[in-house]
Amino acid sequence: KQEVTQIPAALSVPEGENLVLNCSFTDSAIYNLQWFRQDPGKGLTSLLLIQSSQREQTSGRLNASLDKSSGRSTLYIAASQPGDSATYLCAVRGANNLFFGTGTRLTVIP
Amino acid sequence: DAGVIQSPRHEVTEMGQEVTLRCKPISGHNSLFWYRQTMMRGLELLIYFNNNVPIDDSGMPEDRFSAKMPNASFSTLKIQPSEPRDSAVYFCASSPRSSGVTYEQYFGPGTRLTVT
Repeated sequence: KQEVTQIPAALSVPEGENLVLNCSFTDSAIYNLQWFRQDPGKGLTSLLLIQSSQREQTSGRLNASLDKSSGRSTLYIAASQPGDSATYLCAVRGANNLFFGTGTRLTVIP
Repeated sequence: DAGVIQSPRHEVTEMGQEVTLRCKPISGHNSLFWYRQTMMRGLELLIYFNNNVPIDDSGMPEDRFSAKMPNASFSTLKIQPSEPRDSAVYFCASSPRSSGVTYEQYFGPGTRLTVT
């Protein structure tokens, strides 16, 4: 069974700092990988989707990379802002399922 | 577009009662997913539909759980009878293509279920 791990579980950074969130998965036979943001008590907002044939995707200050062979993805956030504070989840798509990591809780300190 | 709509947003019920959660996917989306989120297990896919047909229900924990999608704009997740360990946040998501989880999923705000 696919296992998805996110490290660190929590991260605090001062405003303006660049940061990287990590996601690793055990089975490299994936169709795509998706990064989500979840605010407390809220649903999930999709940030970036990387197909298995892609290496990276960019949206504004966010850049996500995918290395399927090593089972890793990173989410890079440039010039972090207090509004970026949330839990970030990665999810990998297998044949018939979407497997989620447990998330990284990010706090950006003003 | 209003996004994925879920109701109720909060549900508190007593053990043994029937619980029905509702979801309206984004108009035009062909696929619908039900997830459960708990502190212990994180987010888990329960079941998903393509074009109103259940494709994979292997994530449904027990026979007490059932899901239906009578038409393209409505789905229900029912728990009967409910138990305290069913307490969780239940999310519904929809996707714009028939190939299901291949494409980006859009999540609803969730229903927080508490079974006492």
